[in-house]
Amino acid sequence: QSVLTQSPSVSGAPGQRVTISCTGSSSNIGAGYPVHWYQHLPGTAPKLLMYGNINRPSGVPDRFSGSKSGTSASLAITGLQAEDEADYYCQSYDSSLAAVVFGGGTKLTVL
Amino acid sequence: QVQLMQSGAEVKKPGASVKVSCKTSGYIFTSYDISWVRQAPGQGLEWMGWISTYMGNTNYAQKFQGRLTVTTDTSTGAAYMELASLRSDDTAVYYCARGAMSSSSGGDYWGQGTLVTVSS
Repeated sequence: QSVLTQSPSVSGAPGQRVTISCTGSSSNIGAGYPVHWYQHLPGTAPKLLMYGNINRPSGVPDRFSGSKSGTSASLAITGLQAEDEADYYCQSYDSSLAAVVFGGGTKLTVL
Repeated sequence: QVQLMQSGAEVKKPGASVKVSCKTSGYIFTSYDISWVRQAPGQGLEWMGWISTYMGNTNYAQKFQGRLTVTTDTSTGAAYMELASLRSDDTAVYYCARGAMSSSSGGDYWGQGTLVTVSS
């Protein structure tokens, strides 16, 4: 049971928009700790996709955007492409656990 | 360019220890912390701990307390993760990442991963 809750899967057709949500609590996202998002393809290293809730690292397309409200955060992907098919993880810090926490991951399928 | 290169796959027996290295290049080693994350088969990412490469202090996840030791060699720009008393459920791919994931910048560069298999 992950401290941050993500839907196990989401899907969309090429060109469509999908949103991946990450729900936390008052001891992590709601406490103001930043949320980061990672894209992970099997057999490769995870890739930082979004940091500090809304910031894209250099090289990440602007099709990816992040948002945060209250105890939740979201990653939106517009103009879906086949190469976006991967697992996506949110990550933050939890003050009650005094630990970094990950969401359980969301598998994105591009139909 | 920034690179984190990890040591090769390991096969260990239950009860043994494993030490995984993470050799960095392309940046000033002591300017960024190093975090360790693992992924067991069919599971998600799990944070294990981090080390301040500048100060040397560490922070470990509760479940690894007493079994995990993270160290660095600032002369070579390398970080090490040693996990003791291995069990079958420690079978996983272990990753090092640049940055303390509790910071505002997350883990921005990752090693390629090291598969550790624990089997009798």
